[in-house]
Amino acid sequence: GAVVSQHPSWVICKSGTSVKIECRSLDFQATTMFWYRQFPKQSLMLMATSNEGSKATYEQGVEKDKFLINHASLTLSTLTVTSAHPEDSSFYICSASRASGQQETQYFGPGTRLLVL
Amino acid sequence: ILNVEQSPQSLHVQEGDSTNFTCSFPSSNFYALHWYRWETAKSPEALFVMTLNGDEKKKGRISATLNTKEGYSYLYIKGSQPEDSATYLCAFLSGSARQLTFGSGTQLTVLP
Repeated sequence: GAVVSQHPSWVICKSGTSVKIECRSLDFQATTMFWYRQFPKQSLMLMATSNEGSKATYEQGVEKDKFLINHASLTLSTLTVTSAHPEDSSFYICSASRASGQQETQYFGPGTRLLVL
Repeated sequence: ILNVEQSPQSLHVQEGDSTNFTCSFPSSNFYALHWYRWETAKSPEALFVMTLNGDEKKKGRISATLNTKEGYSYLYIKGSQPEDSATYLCAFLSGSARQLTFGSGTQLTVLP
């Protein structure tokens, strides 16, 4: 159990295009999902925390109008990179939180590699 | 900004060797320390969630220890196999936050 899918795996797009990435928890309900970005040779950096039915909480320095997050159901969160530019090229990965007793574990999707030309 | 560091950055070992690497994290306001294994082109896989000082957890040939007072955790792999090749990430969860702060990982390559 605890599988998270992410779609698409790869996106290559022109500058100015908006790109939507989906994150789904396949076999459990996740009230909280997280979106991370990773630049080459760097750590996973949290962009935002997404709670079902409410507005996402963005980390400092992450533009909410640039990275739109929608968490419409307990199994789906989407990240839309609006008007993408080459500097938005990165690896984007989501995770879904699942509680087991008092512990909470994050289960990750396989990530989406975005290249903006 | 929370500082979570992992060392070494990368490691090559021969099949059958045992190995270990380190995660250091803030020693104050500790809540939990997570370890993940991340194989290329796959999702990071949760290995351990450690919460108690002195905790030791084991999963097959992989084990981890935790020292919250000095702010470090060790991950050990006994008798490394090529399929252990992956990046091992640790992530710190403080008592005041719900989000994980990740280290940059240790990339392990096990040579046959």
